[in-house]
Amino acid sequence: KNQVEQSPQSLIILEGKNCTLQCNYTVSPFSNLRWYKQDTGRGPVSLTIMTFSENTKSNGRYTATLDADTKQSSLHITASQLSDSASYICVVSKTGGFKTIFGAGTRLFVKA
Amino acid sequence: NAGVMQNPRHLVRRRGQEARLRCSPMKGHSHVYWYRQLPEEGLKFMVYLQKENIIDESGMPKERFSAEFPKEGPSILRIQQVVRGDSAAYFCASSPPEGKQYFGPGTRLTVT
Repeated sequence: KNQVEQSPQSLIILEGKNCTLQCNYTVSPFSNLRWYKQDTGRGPVSLTIMTFSENTKSNGRYTATLDADTKQSSLHITASQLSDSASYICVVSKTGGFKTIFGAGTRLFVKA
Repeated sequence: NAGVMQNPRHLVRRRGQEARLRCSPMKGHSHVYWYRQLPEEGLKFMVYLQKENIIDESGMPKERFSAEFPKEGPSILRIQQVVRGDSAAYFCASSPPEGKQYFGPGTRLTVT
């Protein structure tokens, strides 16, 4: 069954600290994996996209990793800011036609 | 290049009424996707359309829900005889063929 599981479900950190969010998937055949940031009351915004051959991709303070063998991805946020408070969604796409599976998201709260 | 537009942003309907949600894709995008997000839950895929064609509607309830993407004009998600359980945020995304999806701001439907 094609699934995307994210952990933790929610996370509270202090401003300036780093954190890592996890995404495990069983989607096959794998095409790509995206991390989205969704602010409360808004649509998701893409942070990174990774294909099978990519291990690491950075976007500012966001760094995503992908291990296609173990089917795991992580999103590392460095020097967190209050504006990082949002839901972070892992999305995995299959090859061969449209099939996109969304994780339930990790809700991150950054406190001053 | 304006982003994905959705209207209305907020919609209130009484039980039994019809709800029509509109999505105008980004310029040059021929693919539209609709997602539903229940409170405190992740995004759930509903339907994928190209101009005048429904490609995948596996996530859409068989009754009361329909979607279209005509040759001219926005994509429409239509919900007939709404019930309280239809209250949710409905997000539209658009993409070029094989490209990244860009999300709209969503329509928040409240059924009273």
